[in-house]
Amino acid sequence: AQTVTQSQPEMSVQEAETVTLSCTYDTSESDYYLFWYKQPPSRQMILVIRQEAYKQQNATENRFSVNFQKAAKSFSLKISDSQLGDAAMYFCAYTTLSGSARQLTFGSGTQLTVLP
Amino acid sequence: ETGVTQTPRHLVMGMTNKKSLKCEQHLGHNAMYWYKQSAKKPLELMFVYNFKEQTENNSVPSRFSPECPNSSHLFLHLHTLQPEDSALYLCASSQDIDGAGTQYFGPGTRLLVL
Repeated sequence: AQTVTQSQPEMSVQEAETVTLSCTYDTSESDYYLFWYKQPPSRQMILVIRQEAYKQQNATENRFSVNFQKAAKSFSLKISDSQLGDAAMYFCAYTTLSGSARQLTFGSGTQLTVLP
Repeated sequence: ETGVTQTPRHLVMGMTNKKSLKCEQHLGHNAMYWYKQSAKKPLELMFVYNFKEQTENNSVPSRFSPECPNSSHLFLHLHTLQPEDSALYLCASSQDIDGAGTQYFGPGTRLLVL
């Protein structure tokens, strides 16, 4: 069974600084997708960034980038130039490409606080 | 209206009540999902529907009954719930034909069972 582990329940960062959130996963699959979702106090789950396992290049989306280490099964999220609006719970998630529907396995989340 | 919508946003019910949660997606997706999010726990997948057919039931108690009349609508019928069922219930959809794997979530229904 696939598992996703986020070892940092809480993190804080000063506004305009950079923070890295950690995620590791366990799978026997060779092809899969990894995601970071953000859940602000409104509770709406919002996709931040997506990484395809067969791609060597790390995904980036504006101030958000990942460090994908496939051999180590590590998928960390770096937030640059942190903004107050980045404060939220961040979830790492995994999905396999097998099967007819995509089933996400989520980590337990990291609560990010941005300090003014 | 765009994206994934859920109604109601908040629900309080007694253990003997029957209620339904509704989810609607306006993205043209073929797969829809119900998740349960409890405090201090990872999101738990409950049900998956693909092209209106249920493809996954993750050992969910029978007091939760899903219904998917078409690819755009998904319901979760609730009856004789327990206080431990209080949680945020999230609906999501995805288009799996393109293989992207991305799920788009609704805002959730906050359920309190008294």
